[in-house]
Amino acid sequence: GESVGLHLPTLSVQEGDNSIINCAYSNSASDYFIWYKQESGKGPQFIIDIRSNMDKRQGQRVTVLLNKTVKHLSLQIAATQPGDSAVYFCAMGWASPRYSTLTFGKGTMLLVSP
Amino acid sequence: EAGVTQFPSHSVIEKGQTVTLRCDPISGHDNLYWYRRVMGKEIKFLLHFVKESKQDESGMPNNRFLAERTGGTYSTLKVQPAELEDSGVYFCASSPRGYPGNTIYFGEGSWLTVV
Repeated sequence: GESVGLHLPTLSVQEGDNSIINCAYSNSASDYFIWYKQESGKGPQFIIDIRSNMDKRQGQRVTVLLNKTVKHLSLQIAATQPGDSAVYFCAMGWASPRYSTLTFGKGTMLLVSP
Repeated sequence: EAGVTQFPSHSVIEKGQTVTLRCDPISGHDNLYWYRRVMGKEIKFLLHFVKESKQDESGMPNNRFLAERTGGTYSTLKVQPAELEDSGVYFCASSPRGYPGNTIYFGEGSWLTVV
């Protein structure tokens, strides 16, 4: 079935550390994966995405890794800052315009202490 | 450029009452989506409009929920009558024609509490 789950509900790190947030998925038919950041009182904000024909993609201080063999997605945040504190959601969908729905994971709370 | 705006930001209603949530997508965006997150659960898809047409409403939980998008501009989501389990945050999102997901922009949500 379609589901996206998270290994850890809360991750606490020190400022300057690297953070890794993990996500497992079950639907091998999905070909598009996205990480969103949600700050308190705000809507999900796009961070980075990756298509199934890739296994790694880098952005500014963030890297997404995709392991299709074990159906695992991770978000790495380098030099984590207090402003990175938020709930992070993985989501999966399809790159085709025919399909419109995103399936979200439950979210991981990232807490960054100074 | 204005983002996706939602109204009201917070609403507290009694069980059995009606609530109407409004979403104004980014100007020119054909695609409009409704998602919701109830307490302790993941964000779940409700439905998708392409302009004024319902492209996919497979996520609507039951017939107490009615979504409209008159004229292909703003959209409303009405819950009638509201039940306790409807409490949560309702997100609206929009994207331009076509779908790379990185152009889906979310609003800040309408937080609904049914008491």
